Amino acid sequence: GENVEQHPSTLSVQEGDSAVIKCTYSDSASNYFPWYKQELGKRPQLIIDIRSNVGEKKDQRIAVTLNKTAKHFSLHITETQPEDSAVYFCAANIGSYKLIFGSGTRLLVRP
Amino acid sequence: GAVVSQHPSRVICKSGTSVKIECRSLDFQATTMFWYRQFPKKSLMLMATSNEGSKATYEQGVEKDKFLINHASLTLSTLTVTSAHPEDSSFYICSANGGIGDEKLFFGSGTQLSVL
Repeated sequence: GENVEQHPSTLSVQEGDSAVIKCTYSDSASNYFPWYKQELGKRPQLIIDIRSNVGEKKDQRIAVTLNKTAKHFSLHITETQPEDSAVYFCAANIGSYKLIFGSGTRLLVRP
Repeated sequence: GAVVSQHPSRVICKSGTSVKIECRSLDFQATTMFWYRQFPKKSLMLMATSNEGSKATYEQGVEKDKFLINHASLTLSTLTVTSAHPEDSSFYICSANGGIGDEKLFFGSGTQLSVL
């Protein structure tokens, strides 16, 4: 069936450095790719999303890139801060509104 | 963004009992809601799609008689875990698109179920 693979599973960076999380998807019909941030015991929060008609989207320190040909998309966080520490999930849509999630990346930003 | 409310946030029950979890869209109408299950340090696994006024669509491997879903109105979906067993202990979280035609998915606060 359809799936989304996410790497790395854990990522530790020094405060101020950049962090990159990568995902691949299997359904060539997917056209919506959101990223969620989940803090311990909390609900996932949408932080950025991209649709297949664009290759890159940026919102302050966060950017997402999409390579539809290769079925890859990535999250880039620049100038990381300790409050960026959380679990990040990528997702891809299957059909109109159903989302399939990646396995998650635990990001730790060291002060 | 759209607000999704989920109750209860935590429930502890005895094995064999049933537990009902409510998911409400507070400021928009949700014809479709989704129920996910999340194990500790794991991803969100889609259990079922809840459709207002019709039967839920379950993902492969999810027992529909174990996890009863009712979506009786445009703002409320419920998940009932029937005859709960310790292996049903998990974090259950609902979500909804922020209105008709909106792809963005907003999550409830989740319910931590512990079955003794």
